[in-house]
Amino acid sequence: NAGVTQTPKFQVLKTGQSMTLQCAQDMNHEYMSWYRQDPGMGLRLIHYSVGAGITDQGEVPNGYNVSRSTTEDFPLRLLSAAPSQTSVYFCASSYDHGSGANVLTFGAGSRLTVL
Amino acid sequence: GEDVEQSLFLSVREGDSSVINCTYTDSSSTYLYWYKQEPGAGLQLLTYIFSNMDMKQDQRLTVLLNKKDKHLSLRIADTQTGDSAIYFCAEEPDSSASKIIFGSGTRLSIRP
Repeated sequence: NAGVTQTPKFQVLKTGQSMTLQCAQDMNHEYMSWYRQDPGMGLRLIHYSVGAGITDQGEVPNGYNVSRSTTEDFPLRLLSAAPSQTSVYFCASSYDHGSGANVLTFGAGSRLTVL
Repeated sequence: GEDVEQSLFLSVREGDSSVINCTYTDSSSTYLYWYKQEPGAGLQLLTYIFSNMDMKQDQRLTVLLNKKDKHLSLRIADTQTGDSAIYFCAEEPDSSASKIIFGSGTRLSIRP
């Protein structure tokens, strides 16, 4: 099993450009989420999904869109990149939710720089 | 609101015990988690504790939970150089909502 795969690992954008960070998991996990990691601020939840066709906002959703058309994929779209979106982005998924511990499996991260 | 707080840095001598502390705000949290992040990698689950427990031990790791004070701690016995990492505390405020909120992370460094 590959687990959670994120692409690309590194990306440099100019202000105003758009791009999509890809996330795929092969564990048949229902729950998927996107976090951003910034120094001294830990991980902040951007968006999450409890199943195909269902998405919801996290703590910092502004400037980001998501969709969940399949169980496996959960792409994160930046519509018009801003320097404040320079960060490391992590995708995570889990099987259990609603009952039992929600143990997240993380991808390796995508480092985004917006100039 | 939901908030998880940790100190940013901890330095301990190799062989000593490390204690990483965390406070959280949501008393309805059913599970509380500790994750470890090594340099250049994603986070990996270390352990978790159900809210009706006071303590959980797993080899060198001991988790203590004080629900009254909303305080969680992670003790690592006999700290080794391989324990150098960032440790994140996380809460799940409402298990039905499936949101997990992380703290800022504590960077643990080991002195020889």
